[in-house]
Amino acid sequence: GAVVSQHPSRVICKSGTSVKIECRSLDFQATTMFWYRQFPKKSLMLMATSNEGSKATYEQGVEKDKFLINHASLTLSTLTVTSAHPEDSSFYICSAPGTGNTEAFFGQGTRLTVV
Amino acid sequence: AQSVTQPDIHITVSEGASLELRCNYSYGATPYLFWYVQSPGQGLQLLLKYFSGDTLVQGIKGFEAEFKRSQSSFNLRKPSVHWSDAAEYFCAVVLYNQGGKLIFGQGTELSVKP
Repeated sequence: GAVVSQHPSRVICKSGTSVKIECRSLDFQATTMFWYRQFPKKSLMLMATSNEGSKATYEQGVEKDKFLINHASLTLSTLTVTSAHPEDSSFYICSAPGTGNTEAFFGQGTRLTVV
Repeated sequence: AQSVTQPDIHITVSEGASLELRCNYSYGATPYLFWYVQSPGQGLQLLLKYFSGDTLVQGIKGFEAEFKRSQSSFNLRKPSVHWSDAAEYFCAVVLYNQGGKLIFGQGTELSVKP
């Protein structure tokens, strides 16, 4: 099956700094990738949809300037958490749709801790 | 509006007992449904999926799920639970007419008693 690689798996950063999370499709091209966020003991909520060659689409309530998404190529999407605060600490996970958009291939996820 | 509901936030079963986790969905078209498992601190692992055809689908780790259109349900079952099955379980529907994003249920935390 298709493989999506997400890095880093864990990151600890200081408040006020920025953190970049990468999501790569290893054996297929992904014109679209989805970014989800999971708060502790909660479900996964879609944050934004990244589109290769165009601006990302953000879900309601997600701060565009805080969560910068770039889809620079057909195999790479990045999420940058800018000016991180402790409340940004979360599990972030990306996914790429499969053929016909009928399934999803997930990255391994990134656990971000802001101290 | 599309939605997925998992009515049980937390379930505890004894090891060796049977398990059923409930999932109800709301979707205007033919649903493509999934069950994922997440161990603490880990990512998502796909247990099984339903696209079409046989309404009883088999997955990994001895899990199965039954799609019932009349009840808008896709319940997950396992005949005999093992201690290693303790984890968080998520039901999801893919919005294939919206690019393939998923809507997840709230999750059910499974605890297994020895």
